[in-house]
Amino acid sequence: NAGVTQTPKFQVLKTGQSMTLQCAQDMNHNSMYWYRQDPGMGLRLIYYSASEGTTDKGEVPNGYNVSRLNKREFSLRLESAAPSQTSVYFCASSGRGDSGGELFFGEGSRLTVL
Amino acid sequence: SQKIEQNSEALNIQEGKTATLTCNYTNYSPAYLQWYRQDPGRGPVFLLLIRENEKEKRKERLKVTFDTTLKQSLFHITASQPADSATYLCALITGGFKTIFGAGTRLFVKA
Repeated sequence: NAGVTQTPKFQVLKTGQSMTLQCAQDMNHNSMYWYRQDPGMGLRLIYYSASEGTTDKGEVPNGYNVSRLNKREFSLRLESAAPSQTSVYFCASSGRGDSGGELFFGEGSRLTVL
Repeated sequence: SQKIEQNSEALNIQEGKTATLTCNYTNYSPAYLQWYRQDPGRGPVFLLLIRENEKEKRKERLKVTFDTTLKQSLFHITASQPADSATYLCALITGGFKTIFGAGTRLFVKA
């Protein structure tokens, strides 16, 4: 039982390049999330998917797109990377509908944009 | 504006003492409040959840209080150990599917 798996763990991009961060969960959770974490700013929600087939913007969606490929997988795409997108990205999942259920996080993807 | 504030300064305590971390929020009406632990280079791990109609929640050496009038939660670790050293994150669930996090407080427990 792997929980939430993110790939890649590390990536270096040049400004303007594109890439996709992959996330998969094996807990049969309905909801999935992408956060970014920057020093002193905490985790900020980029996009979330309350259930398969739906996606919604979070606090900082600009410059990102997401795809909920199926119930297990939720990917985050940077179409044209910028240095401001240098960060640690975390995928999370939750089994809750509208209760207070816990978030299960992956180990993070560390992205550097030069 | 909406804010979640945790003490940005690290908390240093001696082994065996009680660590108390604070989470204050403004302009939110959270239905739930959670605490997570994060170790360096790792993802956050859920510790405790407390609902708006609960004053206190305990789990082993952990205790969380939630005061919706003061808009504050306190997180206590009793009989602290060096293994408790980590960053602790406060998170609010305001309804729906969004969980909003504070920046976290680093705790160092000295042997």
